Amino acid sequence: QLQLQESGPGLVKPSETLSLTCTVSGGSIDGSSFYWGWIRQPPGKGLEWIANIFYSGSTDYQSSLKSRVTISVDTTKNQFSLKLTSVTAADTAVYYCASLSFTPIRVDSWGRGTLVTVSS
Amino acid sequence: SYVLTQPPSLLVAPGQTATFTCGGSNIGTVSVHWYQQKTGQAPVMVVYDDSARPSGIPERFSGSNSGNTATLTISRVEAGDEADYYCQVWDSSSDHVVFGGGTKLTVL
Repeated sequence: QLQLQESGPGLVKPSETLSLTCTVSGGSIDGSSFYWGWIRQPPGKGLEWIANIFYSGSTDYQSSLKSRVTISVDTTKNQFSLKLTSVTAADTAVYYCASLSFTPIRVDSWGRGTLVTVSS
Repeated sequence: SYVLTQPPSLLVAPGQTATFTCGGSNIGTVSVHWYQQKTGQAPVMVVYDDSARPSGIPERFSGSNSGNTATLTISRVEAGDEADYYCQVWDSSSDHVVFGGGTKLTVL
């Protein structure tokens, strides 16, 4: 069974770039079985999908975040990453990485999540 | 973009049935998935493709989907079912994963 683990700074200053990495174990990220994605949850609020990527590099982005978000995959390290630029306090959230099955798309496995706080 | 509407809260006594709704325009034409999130934990899928159960999910969890409403039902509710429940679809018109706002289940 796939296991996913987020890593990255827990504190980011306003206007800077949030960078997170998800390490996948128990399976290969360059197979054709899954999309890889990021989902976030502000404290006390609901889930918000951020982006998906297929191992080939095909991407989908949340429209409201598209101008600030980049998702990428590194098949050599079995990892995928998220970059969110120009962060504000509104970007404070628990960030989850996930594997998504398709046809139709659903979230099969979640990382444990990592809290990122935007504060000076 | 596609919007999924869930009531914010649901109160149910132990042993009774909890019925969660997820409203969306013609939601019956797409597959709906449901996730359970206990406090401080990552979500876990409890129903996929409207009514299928992942391995390890009790038969007490069931789902249906028709018209403008999808439904998750938990029979014989237990204290351990207390959690937030989210519905989710794939909006093919925008290529977006869409979550409902979530319903908090309180077991009385």
